Amino acid sequence: GDSVTQMEGPVTLSEEAFLTINCTYTATGYPSLFWYVQYPGEGLQLLLKATKADDKGSNKGFEATYRKETTSFHLEKGSVQVSDSAVYFCALSDPGRNRDDKIIFGKGTRLHILP
Amino acid sequence: GAVVSQHPSRVICKSGTSVKIECRSLDFQATTMFWYRQFPKQSLMLMATSNEGSKATYEQGVEKDKFLINHASLTLSTLTVTSAHPEDSSFYICSARDGAIANSPLHFGNGTRLTVT
Repeated sequence: GDSVTQMEGPVTLSEEAFLTINCTYTATGYPSLFWYVQYPGEGLQLLLKATKADDKGSNKGFEATYRKETTSFHLEKGSVQVSDSAVYFCALSDPGRNRDDKIIFGKGTRLHILP
Repeated sequence: GAVVSQHPSRVICKSGTSVKIECRSLDFQATTMFWYRQFPKQSLMLMATSNEGSKATYEQGVEKDKFLINHASLTLSTLTVTSAHPEDSSFYICSARDGAIANSPLHFGNGTRLTVT
Protein backbone atom coordinates (compact mmCIF):
# COMPACT_ATOMS: atom_id res chain seq x y z
CA GLY A 1 0.00 0.00 0.00
CA ASP A 2 0.85 3.65 -0.06
CA SER A 3 3.38 4.78 2.49
CA VAL A 4 5.68 7.58 3.54
CA THR A 5 9.15 7.15 5.00
CA GLN A 6 10.98 10.01 6.59
CA MET A 7 14.23 10.27 8.47
CA GLU A 8 14.08 9.50 12.14
CA GLY A 9 14.84 12.14 14.66
CA PRO A 10 15.51 13.89 16.72
CA VAL A 11 17.52 16.20 14.54
CA THR A 12 19.54 18.78 16.47
CA LEU A 13 21.07 21.76 14.71
CA SER A 14 22.53 25.09 15.65
CA GLU A 15 20.74 28.27 14.68
CA GLU A 16 21.43 29.37 11.08
CA ALA A 17 22.42 25.85 10.02
CA PHE A 18 21.13 24.28 6.81
CA LEU A 19 18.31 21.80 7.28
CA THR A 20 17.33 18.77 5.26
CA ILE A 21 14.71 16.27 6.35
CA ASN A 22 14.46 13.39 3.93
CA CYS A 23 11.14 11.97 2.82
CA THR A 24 10.37 9.26 0.28
CA TYR A 25 7.05 7.81 -0.66
CA THR A 26 5.44 4.80 -2.24
CA ALA A 27 2.22 5.23 -4.16
CA THR A 28 0.47 3.52 -7.02
CA GLY A 29 -0.96 6.69 -8.53
CA TYR A 30 -0.05 10.36 -8.62
CA PRO A 31 -0.39 11.68 -5.09
CA SER A 32 -0.16 15.19 -3.77
CA LEU A 33 2.64 15.59 -1.25
CA PHE A 34 2.64 17.62 1.93
CA TRP A 35 4.76 18.73 4.83
CA TYR A 36 2.93 19.40 8.08
CA VAL A 37 4.47 20.94 11.18
CA GLN A 38 3.46 20.56 14.80
CA TYR A 39 4.81 23.19 17.18
CA PRO A 40 4.94 22.34 20.90
CA GLY A 41 1.47 22.26 22.39
CA GLU A 42 -0.28 22.92 19.10
CA GLY A 43 -2.07 20.97 16.39
CA LEU A 44 -0.65 20.04 13.01
CA GLN A 45 -0.44 22.84 10.46
CA LEU A 46 0.09 22.56 6.74
CA LEU A 47 3.55 23.92 5.98
CA LEU A 48 3.70 23.40 2.23
CA LYS A 49 2.48 21.14 -0.50
CA ALA A 50 3.07 20.11 -4.11
CA THR A 51 0.50 18.51 -6.33
CA LYS A 52 2.48 17.26 -9.31
CA ALA A 53 5.96 16.23 -10.38
CA ASP A 54 8.61 18.97 -10.34
CA ASP A 55 6.37 21.32 -8.36
CA LYS A 56 8.14 23.15 -5.54
CA GLY A 57 6.23 23.98 -2.39
CA SER A 58 7.55 26.77 -0.23
CA ASN A 59 6.57 28.60 2.93
CA LYS A 60 8.36 30.38 5.80
CA GLY A 61 11.74 29.75 4.16
CA PHE A 62 11.11 26.02 3.82
CA GLU A 63 11.09 24.35 0.42
CA ALA A 64 10.41 20.89 -0.95
CA THR A 65 10.40 19.68 -4.55
CA TYR A 66 8.21 16.83 -5.80
CA ARG A 67 10.68 14.42 -7.41
CA LYS A 68 8.82 11.66 -9.19
CA GLU A 69 11.98 9.96 -10.48
CA THR A 70 13.30 9.46 -6.96
CA THR A 71 9.86 9.40 -5.26
CA SER A 72 11.09 12.00 -2.83
CA PHE A 73 9.91 15.23 -1.23
CA HIS A 74 12.80 16.36 0.96
CA LEU A 75 12.26 19.38 3.18
CA GLU A 76 14.98 22.04 3.19
CA LYS A 77 15.67 25.38 4.80
CA GLY A 78 18.77 27.42 4.32
CA SER A 79 19.03 28.95 7.77
CA VAL A 80 17.01 27.57 10.65
CA GLN A 81 15.85 29.50 13.68
CA VAL A 82 15.09 28.43 17.23
CA SER A 83 11.41 29.01 16.46
CA ASP A 84 11.57 26.23 13.85
CA SER A 85 11.85 23.65 16.61
CA ALA A 86 8.89 21.35 16.09
CA VAL A 87 7.86 17.97 14.73
CA TYR A 88 7.67 17.76 10.95
CA PHE A 89 5.46 15.24 9.14
CA CYS A 90 5.75 14.29 5.51
CA ALA A 91 2.47 13.11 4.03
CA LEU A 92 0.71 12.16 0.82
CA SER A 93 -2.86 12.13 -0.30
CA ASP A 94 -4.53 8.91 -1.34
CA PRO A 95 -4.44 8.69 -5.13
CA GLY A 96 -7.83 8.72 -6.74
CA ARG A 97 -9.41 10.69 -3.91
CA ASN A 98 -9.76 14.39 -3.32
CA ARG A 99 -6.36 15.90 -2.78
CA ASP A 100 -6.67 16.68 0.87
CA ASP A 101 -8.68 13.69 1.99
CA LYS A 102 -7.33 10.55 3.55
CA ILE A 103 -3.80 11.74 4.09
CA ILE A 104 -1.09 9.17 4.84
CA PHE A 105 1.57 10.44 7.22
CA GLY A 106 5.17 9.58 7.91
CA LYS A 107 6.29 9.00 11.49
CA GLY A 108 7.40 12.55 12.02
CA THR A 109 10.84 14.05 12.63
CA ARG A 110 11.48 16.07 15.76
CA LEU A 111 13.73 19.07 15.13
CA HIS A 112 15.63 20.87 17.87
CA ILE A 113 17.37 24.13 17.06
CA LEU A 114 19.96 25.31 19.55
CA PRO A 115 20.55 29.05 20.01
CA GLY B 1 -7.62 31.40 10.62
CA ALA B 2 -9.67 28.26 10.86
CA VAL B 3 -9.49 26.61 14.26
CA VAL B 4 -10.29 23.10 15.35
CA SER B 5 -10.72 22.61 19.08
CA GLN B 6 -10.22 19.19 20.58
CA HIS B 7 -11.15 18.34 24.14
CA PRO B 8 -9.87 17.07 26.47
CA SER B 9 -6.17 17.42 25.79
CA ARG B 10 -5.34 14.68 28.27
CA VAL B 11 -7.44 12.02 29.93
CA ILE B 12 -6.66 9.14 32.24
CA CYS B 13 -9.27 6.48 32.72
CA LYS B 14 -9.59 3.07 34.26
CA SER B 15 -9.74 -0.07 32.21
CA GLY B 16 -13.31 -0.93 31.25
CA THR B 17 -14.64 2.60 31.26
CA SER B 18 -15.57 4.74 28.25
CA VAL B 19 -14.03 8.02 27.22
CA LYS B 20 -15.48 10.67 24.91
CA ILE B 21 -13.29 13.02 22.89
CA GLU B 22 -14.79 16.08 21.23
CA CYS B 23 -13.67 17.79 18.05
CA ARG B 24 -15.18 21.16 17.19
CA SER B 25 -14.67 23.45 14.23
CA LEU B 26 -14.86 26.88 15.84
CA ASP B 27 -15.28 29.23 12.92
CA PHE B 28 -16.29 27.09 9.99
CA GLN B 29 -18.64 24.28 9.10
CA ALA B 30 -17.17 20.87 8.51
CA THR B 31 -19.25 18.26 6.73
CA THR B 32 -16.35 15.87 7.07
CA MET B 33 -13.98 15.34 9.96
CA PHE B 34 -11.20 12.79 10.30
CA TRP B 35 -9.96 10.90 13.32
CA TYR B 36 -6.34 9.79 13.59
CA ARG B 37 -4.42 7.77 16.12
CA GLN B 38 -0.70 8.04 16.79
CA PHE B 39 1.39 5.59 18.74
CA PRO B 40 4.77 6.71 20.11
CA LYS B 41 7.29 7.11 17.32
CA GLN B 42 4.73 5.95 14.78
CA SER B 43 2.79 7.61 12.00
CA LEU B 44 -0.61 9.18 12.36
CA MET B 45 -2.98 6.43 11.29
CA LEU B 46 -6.39 7.38 9.90
CA MET B 47 -9.04 5.62 11.93
CA ALA B 48 -12.23 6.87 10.37
CA THR B 49 -13.92 9.56 8.35
CA SER B 50 -16.79 11.22 10.15
CA ASN B 51 -19.64 12.51 7.99
CA GLU B 52 -22.24 14.91 9.32
CA GLY B 53 -25.61 13.28 9.55
CA SER B 54 -24.50 9.83 8.47
CA LYS B 55 -22.46 6.88 9.64
CA ALA B 56 -18.72 7.15 9.86
CA THR B 57 -16.50 5.31 7.42
CA TYR B 58 -13.92 3.22 9.26
CA GLU B 59 -10.53 2.19 7.96
CA GLN B 60 -9.69 -1.48 7.71
CA GLY B 61 -8.80 -2.98 11.05
CA VAL B 62 -10.52 -0.31 13.16
CA GLU B 63 -13.29 -1.69 15.38
CA LYS B 64 -16.34 0.47 14.85
CA ASP B 65 -18.07 -0.90 17.93
CA LYS B 66 -15.11 0.09 20.05
CA PHE B 67 -14.47 3.50 18.57
CA LEU B 68 -17.89 5.12 18.26
CA ILE B 69 -18.02 8.22 16.12
CA ASN B 70 -20.90 10.66 16.09
CA HIS B 71 -21.06 13.73 13.85
CA ALA B 72 -24.35 15.26 14.89
CA SER B 73 -23.74 18.79 13.66
CA LEU B 74 -21.60 20.66 11.16
CA THR B 75 -19.26 21.79 13.91
CA LEU B 76 -18.96 18.81 16.22
CA SER B 77 -17.72 15.25 15.94
CA THR B 78 -17.15 12.96 18.91
CA LEU B 79 -15.05 9.84 19.30
CA THR B 80 -15.98 7.52 22.15
CA VAL B 81 -13.55 4.82 23.16
CA THR B 82 -15.76 2.17 24.73
CA SER B 83 -14.61 -0.33 27.33
CA ALA B 84 -11.13 1.08 27.18
CA HIS B 85 -8.11 -1.14 27.67
CA PRO B 86 -4.46 -0.22 28.25
CA GLU B 87 -3.68 -0.98 24.60
CA ASP B 88 -6.05 1.85 23.63
CA SER B 89 -3.65 4.29 25.26
CA SER B 90 -2.55 6.57 22.46
CA PHE B 91 -2.65 10.06 21.02
CA TYR B 92 -5.87 10.80 19.14
CA ILE B 93 -6.08 13.70 16.69
CA CYS B 94 -9.01 15.05 14.73
CA SER B 95 -9.00 17.19 11.61
CA ALA B 96 -11.58 18.96 9.52
CA ARG B 97 -11.96 20.86 6.29
CA ASP B 98 -13.92 24.03 5.67
CA GLY B 99 -16.70 22.82 3.40
CA ALA B 100 -17.31 26.33 2.08
CA ILE B 101 -13.84 26.75 0.61
CA ALA B 102 -12.73 24.84 -2.47
CA ASN B 103 -9.58 22.77 -1.84
CA SER B 104 -9.56 23.86 1.79
CA PRO B 105 -6.60 22.39 3.67
CA LEU B 106 -7.10 20.13 6.63
CA HIS B 107 -7.16 21.88 10.01
CA PHE B 108 -6.04 19.79 12.95
CA GLY B 109 -6.93 19.78 16.61
CA ASN B 110 -4.21 19.72 19.27
CA GLY B 111 -4.83 16.07 20.01
CA THR B 112 -5.93 14.09 23.04
CA ARG B 113 -3.55 11.89 24.95
CA LEU B 114 -5.47 8.96 26.39
CA THR B 115 -3.96 6.82 29.12
CA VAL B 116 -5.86 3.75 30.25
CA THR B 117 -4.73 2.31 33.55
